Amino acid sequence: DVVLTQTPPTLSATIGQSVSISCRSSQSLLHSNGNTYLHWLLQRPGQSPQLLIYLVSRLESGVPNRFSGSGSGTDFTLKISGVEAEDLGVYYCVQGTHAPPWTFGGGTKLELK
Amino acid sequence: EVQLQESGPGLVKPSQSLSLTCSVTGYSITSNYWGWIRKFPGNKMEWMGYISYSGSTSYNPSLKSRISITRDTSKNQFFLQLNSVTTEDTATYYCARWPDYWGQGVMVTVSS
Repeated sequence: DVVLTQTPPTLSATIGQSVSISCRSSQSLLHSNGNTYLHWLLQRPGQSPQLLIYLVSRLESGVPNRFSGSGSGTDFTLKISGVEAEDLGVYYCVQGTHAPPWTFGGGTKLELK
Repeated sequence: EVQLQESGPGLVKPSQSLSLTCSVTGYSITSNYWGWIRKFPGNKMEWMGYISYSGSTSYNPSLKSRISITRDTSKNQFFLQLNSVTTEDTATYYCARWPDYWGQGVMVTVSS
């Protein structure tokens, strides 16, 4: 199975600060069809996961544009440009290029400093 | 609006089967992919499998001998059955229109 390594495991930020989360894959996530099936999810406390970014950099409908995704191959980044209180929770990257199975990163917990 | 709701027992005995139902409103399960995902105590997430718009299934190989996902299109529901459970199957189980709409999750404890 593809292993996704997320860093850091915990991130402390102040409101308004810009932060980045890294997701590194054990194999290239470029599919033979040209797509890269790497998505980002956020699970807020007490809520179910929410899709933020799909196919590396495409913003899901309704998600604020302070969220952005980038990367290629094996290295991917989620950036939040100006953290807001509602952004706190656990962030996951998930890949499907080499599914089954789809595999998740270990998660990054974003906390207030 | 697409809404999903899991239902099923919160406590299952070891060696028995875990059975959950996902009821979907606002969208037909004859489109898209419909999956089961679980979150273990801590942060670890595991994709268990999904059933497609056509009824074909794909499972996590680590569960392949124990898992079955089926559906009832007349009720717009899909189902998870996990056999021979152990305490390691204790988790919160989510159903999802993979990957963009998720249910609220149901906590299942495996214990005698």
